[in-house]
Amino acid sequence: AQKVTQAQTEISVVEKEDVTLDCVYETRDTTYYLFWYKQPPSGELVFLIRRNSFDEQNEISGRYSWNFQKSTSSFNFTITASQVVDSAVYFCALSEARSSGGSYIPTFGRGTSLIVHP
Amino acid sequence: DSGVTQTPKHLITATGQRVTLRCSPRSGDLSVYWYQQSLDQGLQFLIQYYNGEERAKGNILERFSAQQFPDLHSELNLSSLELGDSALYFCASSGRDRAGETQYFGPGTRLLVL
Repeated sequence: AQKVTQAQTEISVVEKEDVTLDCVYETRDTTYYLFWYKQPPSGELVFLIRRNSFDEQNEISGRYSWNFQKSTSSFNFTITASQVVDSAVYFCALSEARSSGGSYIPTFGRGTSLIVHP
Repeated sequence: DSGVTQTPKHLITATGQRVTLRCSPRSGDLSVYWYQQSLDQGLQFLIQYYNGEERAKGNILERFSAQQFPDLHSELNLSSLELGDSALYFCASSGRDRAGETQYFGPGTRLLVL
């Protein structure tokens, strides 16, 4: 069974600080996909990144970066120079590739609430 | 704007009632997913349809049902509502029916059962 753990329930930082959101996952599959989503106070879920299990390269997108480490089953998310607009709940998710192909059932972590103070 | 629309945005009803939530996927997307987000359970996958056919089932109660119509919009029917059904219900869509497909979420329907 797949499982995603986001141990940090809430993180509070001051603007311009760097912050890392942790995500640890469990899966028996060798092929799987990891995602991060952002849920701002407005409530909508916004896709941030998708990473497949064969690509361990770290990714950077502006102030956002992701560190994927298969050895520790982690897919951590760092925001550099945080801003008030980054305040949101961030969800990590895991999707396994089924041997029969087709449909999958994604599993989400419980989310980390990030509060960025001005 | 993800391109996924959901109606209504808010719904208040009483226990024992039945409601229908509607979702229109992004143009061209064939897969529709339904999720429930509650304080107790977090984000939970309910059910997936692909081009009109049910493809995957998650933690969906027997009191709940869904369908996807020929025009690809989907409806989630919740019946015999209980207080614990109060939650945010999200719909998402993706282009194909594969594990790595990125899902785009609608704004959600907030259901309050009194």
